[in-house]
Amino acid sequence: SQKIEQNSEALNIQEGKTATLTCNYTNYSPAYLQWYRQDPGRGPVFLLLIRENEKEKRKERLKVTFDTTLKQSLFHITASQPADSATYLCALDIAGGSYIPTFGRGTSLIVHP
Amino acid sequence: GAGVSQSPRYKVAKRGQDVALRCDPISGHVSLFWYQQALGQGPEFLTYFQNEAQLDKSGLPSDRFFAERPEGSVSTLKIQRTQQEDSAVYLCASSLGLDSPLHFGNGTRLTVT
Repeated sequence: SQKIEQNSEALNIQEGKTATLTCNYTNYSPAYLQWYRQDPGRGPVFLLLIRENEKEKRKERLKVTFDTTLKQSLFHITASQPADSATYLCALDIAGGSYIPTFGRGTSLIVHP
Repeated sequence: GAGVSQSPRYKVAKRGQDVALRCDPISGHVSLFWYQQALGQGPEFLTYFQNEAQLDKSGLPSDRFFAERPEGSVSTLKIQRTQQEDSAVYLCASSLGLDSPLHFGNGTRLTVT
């Protein structure tokens, strides 16, 4: 079956450390992968998009990698802050060219001061 | 500028009632998506519009769910004869086009009693 997997357990880290979140998928050949942030009671907010022919993308303290051989994306937040605490969702187009984003269940990140 | 606006923010319906959820997308955004999000889960795709055309409704869970976007702007998601399993947050998102980032509203939390 087709799956998008994100760690369901919360990730707890100390302020200042690098947080690394994982998104694995099976049986897809997505054209792109996106990462969103969601705070309680709010809609997801777009962070980064990486295409199938890109290995890495950066934006300020954020970095995303995309390995289409491993079928995995890693999302890094460097110098993490308590304000980074939220749920992080990955999304990809599962129908190969449909461009309709399908989301994982998200991973909760908690940054302790 | 204004983001995606959804109303009502909260809706409580008795089982069997019909409900209508409204989405005002960002002006000029061609694509509009509806997602359903259960507690602790990622958003699940319901339906997609390009302008006024509903191009994909494969995610609608039953024929009690109906969506429209008659003038290619505001969209309404209607649920007839609501059931308890319909209780969820309904998220609307718009984008400039396919493979562009999604801009989400803050959702309508529907509770069916």
